Amino acid sequence: GQQLNQSPQSMFIQEGEDVSMNCTSSSIFNTWLWYKQDPGEGPVLLIALYKAGELTSNGRLTAQFGITRKDSFLNISASIPSDVGIYFCAGQIYSGGGADGLTFGKGTHLIIQP
Amino acid sequence: GAGVSQSPSNKVTEKGKDVELRCDPISGHTALYWYRQSLGQGLEFLIYFQGNSAPDKSGLPSDRFSAERTGGSVSTLTIQRTQQEDSAVYLCASSSREKLFFGSGTQLSVL
Repeated sequence: GQQLNQSPQSMFIQEGEDVSMNCTSSSIFNTWLWYKQDPGEGPVLLIALYKAGELTSNGRLTAQFGITRKDSFLNISASIPSDVGIYFCAGQIYSGGGADGLTFGKGTHLIIQP
Repeated sequence: GAGVSQSPSNKVTEKGKDVELRCDPISGHTALYWYRQSLGQGLEFLIYFQGNSAPDKSGLPSDRFSAERTGGSVSTLTIQRTQQEDSAVYLCASSSREKLFFGSGTQLSVL
């Protein structure tokens, strides 16, 4: 099956710094999704990307769907303490029947030092 | 309901006992997923229900794990003869198209 390589595995940054993480795959995906998981909670969808080359922002978050459809990145600008958590990328081959074929990366642990 | 609801939120059990974990998906969502997340790790796919189709059980780690979805809504994940390595957070998610909405999970601890 498909595999996603998400990096970095963890990040230790200072408050106010910008953050960048990415996912790559040997497979082509139709959709890329980015989720954030707070401690003790389930992952929450941040951004969904549907088209190669698409660049989408959600507040301080920006994500792009790679032109080759095999990669995606997520940037967070001016990090704040509540950005702490685990960020997951997910790639999907959407066949029209639902969210089948959804593959998750192993996550990026973001730790912010005040 | 407004979101995916899972119960219990925490479950402590003894090795060898059976456990049942429940998931109430978002009303109207046709797809339901179970994932397992070990401490600090990624999401391990377990099983996927889509409408009335046969479930995709390809992620279940052993025959001690089973799941059912009654009436296309509530789902129960059952783990028989629990082992210590079953300790993890079990997450349920539902979707109507490509976006998954997760519950808060059940933290299972097998002593």
